[in-house]
Amino acid sequence: DTAVSQTPKYLVTQMGNDKSIKCEQNLGHDTMYWYKQDSKKFLKIMFSYNNKELIINETVPNRFSPKSPDKAHLNLHINSLELGDSAVYFCASSRAGTGQKETQYFGPGTRLLVL
Amino acid sequence: KQEVTQIPAALSVPEGENLVLNCSFTDSAIYNLQWFRQDPGKGLTSLLLIQSSQREQTSGRLNASLDKSSGRSTLYIAASQPGDSATYLCAVIQYGGSQGNLIFGKGTKLSVKP
Repeated sequence: DTAVSQTPKYLVTQMGNDKSIKCEQNLGHDTMYWYKQDSKKFLKIMFSYNNKELIINETVPNRFSPKSPDKAHLNLHINSLELGDSAVYFCASSRAGTGQKETQYFGPGTRLLVL
Repeated sequence: KQEVTQIPAALSVPEGENLVLNCSFTDSAIYNLQWFRQDPGKGLTSLLLIQSSQREQTSGRLNASLDKSSGRSTLYIAASQPGDSATYLCAVIQYGGSQGNLIFGKGTKLSVKP
């Protein structure tokens, strides 16, 4: 069984479009994350979220918004896509409360290409 | 601001060699340090997690050490195999960081040649 899954795996779209990436975890974790891996393969946190708090990395444009319909899902919505948004986006999860000390489990990534 | 550096950026070794990957971080106030493996076009797989109170962790042929005071960690791979070829990423969670956000290095790309 897949622990953290993301859809779609690949996403090619035009500049200016709005798109969503879905993430689901079946680990019973309470904290979920979104990371961005740029063309230089550098991974950087975008958001972390549990049922109490959303923490946004200050460098993330407000065109990006995470939405959590329930504890097992944290979807990423992106408005007005720009060329620089092209990257691989990874979802991750860990146990709540002790998030600082727990292993994070990553999804397979969504490769976004903005044309 | 925490910065994580990994040296070397790339490493090529013949099969069977023992090797060491290095990770350094600028702020020693961390909760833990994690080593990940990333295969081309794939997600990240957690290899080892070392809590700040620990000095090392072992899993099979992998051994990770942590020296918080000097801001260093090493990942030792014994008897390397071609299947070990991947990018290895080091990441820390810092005190004061929110919700356990990982701060990553840029990785070491390892190639083990048969």
